[in-house]
Amino acid sequence: GAGVSQTPSNKVTEKGKYVELRCDPISGHTALYWYRQSLGQGPEFLIYFQGTGAADDSGLPNDRFFAVRPEGSVSTLKIQRTERGDSAVYLCASSLRHTSETQYFGPGTRLLVL
Amino acid sequence: AQSVTQPDIHITVSEGASLELRCNYSYGATPYLFWYVQSPGQGLQLLLKYFSGDTLVQGIKGFEAEFKRSQSSFNLRKPSVHWSDAAEYFCAVGTSNSGYALNFGKGTSLLVTP
Repeated sequence: GAGVSQTPSNKVTEKGKYVELRCDPISGHTALYWYRQSLGQGPEFLIYFQGTGAADDSGLPNDRFFAVRPEGSVSTLKIQRTERGDSAVYLCASSLRHTSETQYFGPGTRLLVL
Repeated sequence: AQSVTQPDIHITVSEGASLELRCNYSYGATPYLFWYVQSPGQGLQLLLKYFSGDTLVQGIKGFEAEFKRSQSSFNLRKPSVHWSDAAEYFCAVGTSNSGYALNFGKGTSLLVTP
């Protein structure tokens, strides 16, 4: 079946602008995770959802970052007043449940803030 | 503090030679351990995982890893490397306390020479 998809694949924006990044998980997966990967680093956890609710948002760097998953499927990561330091690849992953199930990653959205 | 360490940033191996990539972790709770591979322009692909049971885990593409609780290690091995194995390798740890959100190491870049 289809894997995790993310759109757009690339996003270029200007400092101070608002951006939305979309993640479409594997059908039937109830757990959804967002990570951020800076150049030369491993992915860093941002937030995870179990169903519609954010079960853990401790990785969000500040209040400019927000994520939603209103129907328990597609999720949107929203970044307000973007800064150059927000430039990174934003990865989404899903798993069947929020247990020890394997997380399947999408290809990522590469965000560049000029 | 919880941490995942991959001591080797870069490793160069001749094709056909054996490979070992190191991973050490520091966690209070029982960890769940993963190795992911990331090729240029590709998403993260799971190689193998350890949840419980046999401490020697077999994965895809001929990889294996051994969980050593006494050494807090989960090293990845392959007896004979192929040129197509050149990629970035990430060790990751999750715990039930974190909802299985993964904490990644910084990665090891593998170069395979003819």
